[in-house]
Amino acid sequence: EAQVTQNPRYLITVTGKKLTVTCSQNMNHEYMSWYRQDPGLGLRQIYYSMNVEVTDKGDVPEGYKVSRKEKRNFPLILESPSPNQTSLYFCASAPLGTGELFFGEGSRLTVL
Amino acid sequence: GDSVTQMEGPVTLSEEAFLTINCTYTATGYPSLFWYVQYPGEGLQLLLKATKADDKGSNKGFEATYRKETTSFHLEKGSVQVSDSAVYFCALRYNTDKLIFGTGTRLQVFP
Repeated sequence: EAQVTQNPRYLITVTGKKLTVTCSQNMNHEYMSWYRQDPGLGLRQIYYSMNVEVTDKGDVPEGYKVSRKEKRNFPLILESPSPNQTSLYFCASAPLGTGELFFGEGSRLTVL
Repeated sequence: GDSVTQMEGPVTLSEEAFLTINCTYTATGYPSLFWYVQYPGEGLQLLLKATKADDKGSNKGFEATYRKETTSFHLEKGSVQVSDSAVYFCALRYNTDKLIFGTGTRLQVFP
C-alpha cells in the first residue's frame, strides 16, 4: 500500500529537549516536504527536498532542521523545541512536477 | 506574491444540499490548481486538480472549473452527504513543486 508514515503520532515534550519526527514514504517520490498546521493559518511549509542531499527552506524554517540521506526518509529535527512549535505536523511526498502530494497522518507535538 | 483565498467557514448544510466553496487565486502566470480534503484525524488527500484554463477537475461527485478570467476554482457538489464533512483546502502550484494552500474551509453536513 502506498503510504507516508510519520512517527511519533503524538508527543509531549519540554522546552529544550531535542526531538526528531521521522517520515518515510514507499512510493519512490523525489519530492518531500514538511508542513505545520495551526488554527486560522492553514498549512505552512517548513522545509522541502527535491532529491537526496538536496533540501531547502520553506516559509517557516526557523527552529527546524531536516536531512535527506535516503530517498525514502525525510526526518524533521527540533534541536531545542520551544512552546511556539506546539503544532500539528505533516510530512508529504510527491512525484516531481505534479503537485500531487501524499500526506502522512500527522504528528501532534506539544512543547511545555 | 502568489496566494490563495478561500471563503471562511464553517459551511453548514443539510444532507443532499448543494455545496459551493469559493476559491480565488493570485498568480503571475498560469498555475495548476488543486483541491485537497482533510477528514477528521487524518492527513490531507488530493481531491481533484486542473492544470490549465477551462479544465474541469472531478472526483467523488465534486467538481471545480479553472476560470482564468475570474481567477477562480470554486468547488461544487450537487448533493452532499454526512461523510463529506471535512476541511477543504484550495491550493496552487506555479513553476515549482511548492504548493501554496488556502487557510481551509470546514464543511459540516447534518442528517
